[in-house]
Amino acid sequence: DTAVSQTPKYLVTQMGNDKSIKCEQNLGHDTMYWYKQDSKKFLKIMFSYNNKELIINETVPNRFSPKSPDKAHLNLHINSLELGDSAVYFCASSRGGAGVETQYFGPGTRLLVL
Amino acid sequence: GEDVEQSLFLSVREGDSSVINCTYTDSSSTYLYWYKQEPGAGLQLLTYIFSNMDMKQDQRLTVLLNKKDKHLSLRIADTQTGDSAIYFCAEGTNQAGTALIFGKGTTLSVSS
Repeated sequence: DTAVSQTPKYLVTQMGNDKSIKCEQNLGHDTMYWYKQDSKKFLKIMFSYNNKELIINETVPNRFSPKSPDKAHLNLHINSLELGDSAVYFCASSRGGAGVETQYFGPGTRLLVL
Repeated sequence: GEDVEQSLFLSVREGDSSVINCTYTDSSSTYLYWYKQEPGAGLQLLTYIFSNMDMKQDQRLTVLLNKKDKHLSLRIADTQTGDSAIYFCAEGTNQAGTALIFGKGTTLSVSS
């Protein structure tokens, strides 16, 4: 009965590879997000989608491409991985309608680029 | 620009109260949040407060908001070793799809 789930939990890969991280929420929310947490634990927004439409696209390299096949899923594809991409990536979701837009976070995907 | 500041470390003894402080700059923030992150884990929502409230209490947690000074605090009563974690303060405008702006987190260490 996990609310926001991410796969994989750990990802170790070589520089230059292409990888994807998947996120699913079963809360019936309309809005989903990707955040990046760096080695100093600082969290910053990367993307957000509302009803499958891109809302926020922060200044991240275009090697990062989010894809939302439906409202319950927001995947993150990363091309040509670099050492600096090593971080923890968190997916989140929020209601996207009336009321408090509380964001609920997934468990994170720990990416290590070698 | 928007900024959220927190002290980086707090150390307390088991059974004491912990107070974690946060300051923010965005006057348009509608809600302010506290999240907890245990080692190797995700972000767990602890509580939130609407910007027109002064205080919110939820069991051992008390949130105080001074909107004039843009100061938010989280008090944990009877702190336990299981409360050891990083606590993040965040502000948001309550619009769907807009980002939460996080502080850098306060590492709470509880000794027995």
